[in-house]
Amino acid sequence: AQSVSQHNHHVILSEAASLELGCNYSYGGTVNLFWYVQYPGQHLQLLLKYFSGDPLVKGIKGFEAEFIKSKFSFNLRKPSVQWSDTAEYFCAVRNNFNKFYFGSGTKLNVKP
Amino acid sequence: DTGVSQNPRHKITKRGQNVTFRCDPISEHNRLYWYRQTLGQGPEFLTYFQNEAQLEKSRLLSDRFSAERPKGSFSTLEIQRTEQGDSAMYLCASSPQGSTDTQYFGPGTRLTVL
Repeated sequence: AQSVSQHNHHVILSEAASLELGCNYSYGGTVNLFWYVQYPGQHLQLLLKYFSGDPLVKGIKGFEAEFIKSKFSFNLRKPSVQWSDTAEYFCAVRNNFNKFYFGSGTKLNVKP
Repeated sequence: DTGVSQNPRHKITKRGQNVTFRCDPISEHNRLYWYRQTLGQGPEFLTYFQNEAQLEKSRLLSDRFSAERPKGSFSTLEIQRTEQGDSAMYLCASSPQGSTDTQYFGPGTRLTVL
């Protein structure tokens, strides 16, 4: 069965700290990979996506993610977090049948 | 364009009642998705339409759940004979048709089954 694992359920950081959120998926075929963010009281919105090409993708607000095919991973990073990055982050995979699978999310709390 | 809208935003119902939710996608978006999200979990795929055709349906969706998109625009999700386990946030998302296009989510409908 296809699945997406986010191992960090809750992360607390101080401002300016570096961030890395783990995401691993299980699917043997071609996948597209996404990170979504949900700020408090807001809809889910796209942070970044990977379809092909350069495995290091850059998204909005200084976020980036690296696709490592051999590790089935797509970890999210940001060199220096801000208080406004406090949100819940979801990793998602789309398979070649256009079905999306989401991880359980990571709540990030950035202390000012 | 105001994005994906969902109505109602909240629904409280008694066990055994039927409920129907509506989703209005972004205009000209061919694809429409329904998800369910429970506390502490990510969105869980329920079903997907391309125009009016329902192309995928999760095995998690019991016979009590049905979705339609009759004219390829708005969609409805109906749950018959609701159970307490149906309590969740029901999310709708839409996307243009294209291999590199992504989804835009609505605010969701929160269902509480008493």
